[in-house]
Amino acid sequence: GAGVSQTPSNKVTEKGKYVELRCDPISGHTALYWYRQSLGQGPEFLIYFQGTGAADDSGLPNDRFFAVRPEGSVSTLKIQRTERGDSAVYLCASSLGGREYNEQFFGPGTRLTVL
Amino acid sequence: TQLLEQSPQFLSIQEGENLTVYCNSSSVFSSLQWYRQEPGEGPVLLVTVVTGGEVKKLKRLTFQFGDARKDSSLHITAAQPGDTGLYLCAGAYGNQFYFGTGTSLTVIP
Repeated sequence: GAGVSQTPSNKVTEKGKYVELRCDPISGHTALYWYRQSLGQGPEFLIYFQGTGAADDSGLPNDRFFAVRPEGSVSTLKIQRTERGDSAVYLCASSLGGREYNEQFFGPGTRLTVL
Repeated sequence: TQLLEQSPQFLSIQEGENLTVYCNSSSVFSSLQWYRQEPGEGPVLLVTVVTGGEVKKLKRLTFQFGDARKDSSLHITAAQPGDTGLYLCAGAYGNQFYFGTGTSLTVIP
């Protein structure tokens, strides 16, 4: 079956612009996570969805970042007024449930570059 | 915030050598996972350890969870070029997974 897919694979934008990053999780996975990975670092937690609701959004760095998952499947990470410091690879992962022992399956990521 | 520190950050060894990667924290985690990530791809889960003192083996890879569930190690025996990649540990804490700083391993044929 298909794995987690993310689009676009690369996004270049200018400072101050708005961007949307999309994640298609594995069918049937109720839990969905967004992470941000900077060069040479491990992924940094942003937000966790269980179904349609954001169960934990404490990792979002500020109010310019927002994520939705309206039907409990596809999720969109939205970044307003982008800044150069937002440049990173944004990773999405899904798992069968929210329990910590369930394996997270990661997508290939979206590389965001803010000029 | 990186709660987990990994060492070494970079490691370059010859094929056939053994190596150990360490993952340390001052926090207690309910479980800890090890991942391998290759360029342009997302991390892939290798193992999950849950019980303090637990040891798990996956072919040439041996994973250990510290007794106090604050640290872990990954030992690779007779490294192969296919082992090259970024190794990440991740601790489960509530709903979140805190990833380590990563160890970039290069195995030279």
